[in-house]
Amino acid sequence: GQNIDQPTEMTATEGAIVQINCTYQTSGFNGLFWYQQHAGEAPTFLSYNVLDGLEEKGRFSSFLSRSKGYSYLLLKELQMKDSASYLCALYNQGGKLIFGQGTELSVKP
Amino acid sequence: GAVVSQHPSWVICKSGTSVKIECRSLDFQATTMFWYRQFPKQSLMLMATSNEGSKATYEQGVEKDKFLINHASLTLSTLTVTSAHPEDSSFYICSARQPNYGYTFGSGTRLTVV
Repeated sequence: GQNIDQPTEMTATEGAIVQINCTYQTSGFNGLFWYQQHAGEAPTFLSYNVLDGLEEKGRFSSFLSRSKGYSYLLLKELQMKDSASYLCALYNQGGKLIFGQGTELSVKP
Repeated sequence: GAVVSQHPSWVICKSGTSVKIECRSLDFQATTMFWYRQFPKQSLMLMATSNEGSKATYEQGVEKDKFLINHASLTLSTLTVTSAHPEDSSFYICSARQPNYGYTFGSGTRLTVV
């Protein structure tokens, strides 16, 4: 089975940097996704890591360490519109996408 | 890019009735689609994997006779909530796996059972 752990909620200030951590345990690993979800909407893709290291995409970066079962999503130059839920999801060997409980990020002015 | 169309966006039904939700891949063929349920302030919980031309596989604890899934073509999967009750009220989202690696999500269906 899988176990995915993320903080329930975080608060940060507009213009700042925030790091959202995700730790996981799984018997079969094929990759890790990060999604953003606004209330009442579908998740939107942010990043995908399958190898160790940092993937950078504009204001968003994602890091993976497979040996430690650890990933983080880094958001720079925070904007008010970044207030949302951020979901860490495992892509397992069964081809399924299994989500963590999500981190509710509130960006304050 | 790949688009998944899901409808209805929202539906209100009476307790005891059935509701069908459709999920279509518009510009790619999806042999596999996934159905999720999300309760308020909770994450997406995988309910079942829909396989074109064969039976769906359900996650532990999901009643297959209550949540009927049909994947009759490479572009359409349907989820029917049978004999709906208020506790079935939730946000239902489908997703399809793109040819390379990504998952595309439908816009979701807000079901309210009264």
